[in-house]
Amino acid sequence: GAGVSQSPSNKVTEKGKDVELRCDPISGHTALYWYRQSLGQGLEFLIYFQGNSAPDKSGLPSDRFSAERTGGSVSTLTIQRTQQEDSAVYLCASSLPGAYGYTFGSGTRLTVV
Amino acid sequence: DQQVKQNSPSLSVQEGRISILNCDYTNSMFDYFLWYKKYPAEGPTFLISISSIKDKNEDGRFTVFLNKSAKHLSLHIVPSQPGDSAVYFCAASVGTYKYIFGTGTRLKVLA
Repeated sequence: GAGVSQSPSNKVTEKGKDVELRCDPISGHTALYWYRQSLGQGLEFLIYFQGNSAPDKSGLPSDRFSAERTGGSVSTLTIQRTQQEDSAVYLCASSLPGAYGYTFGSGTRLTVV
Repeated sequence: DQQVKQNSPSLSVQEGRISILNCDYTNSMFDYFLWYKKYPAEGPTFLISISSIKDKNEDGRFTVFLNKSAKHLSLHIVPSQPGDSAVYFCAASVGTYKYIFGTGTRLKVLA
């Protein structure tokens, strides 16, 4: 597609439930990133995928968070047993390998009640 | 431990004047710096970048200055326009990925 597409745009979930957030990167972009922005905070790196290489998961805040990327394209970020502190805007971005700067999607606003 | 800091959460500037947004960092290994602009309900969009081997990069109305000794970079917008009203994030990295972002500065350009 023309840009990075994320779904859903908004998600309200009850504490303790699992959620899945989806990202469709720009066609041809082999690098894919997940960031999140909590209220009043900067963008926090979560995970990075590059082609078939092992992902860099160093930013995932707990083992309740996981992400996968199928077929080198679409990625899903899964949060299990959601907590209120997981409430944030989750942003996906993609880029060509080695490119400086990437293209972000519009994000998914997750609210855990 | 915030490696990239934007100490001014907001800034108001009159249309036509210069906007100066500041960013400080602590990691001397950072070798590439970016500025992003974000409108409400949209993802951040890339604005301008600078590598650590330079001290200035210009693109139209936007200029980024890097002072490595002070670990400080700034974004100048001249002249400021109402459409520039947005949140501006600076980001820094070692290498080409895993950028560390600041908390952002909300710029309001008054008509």
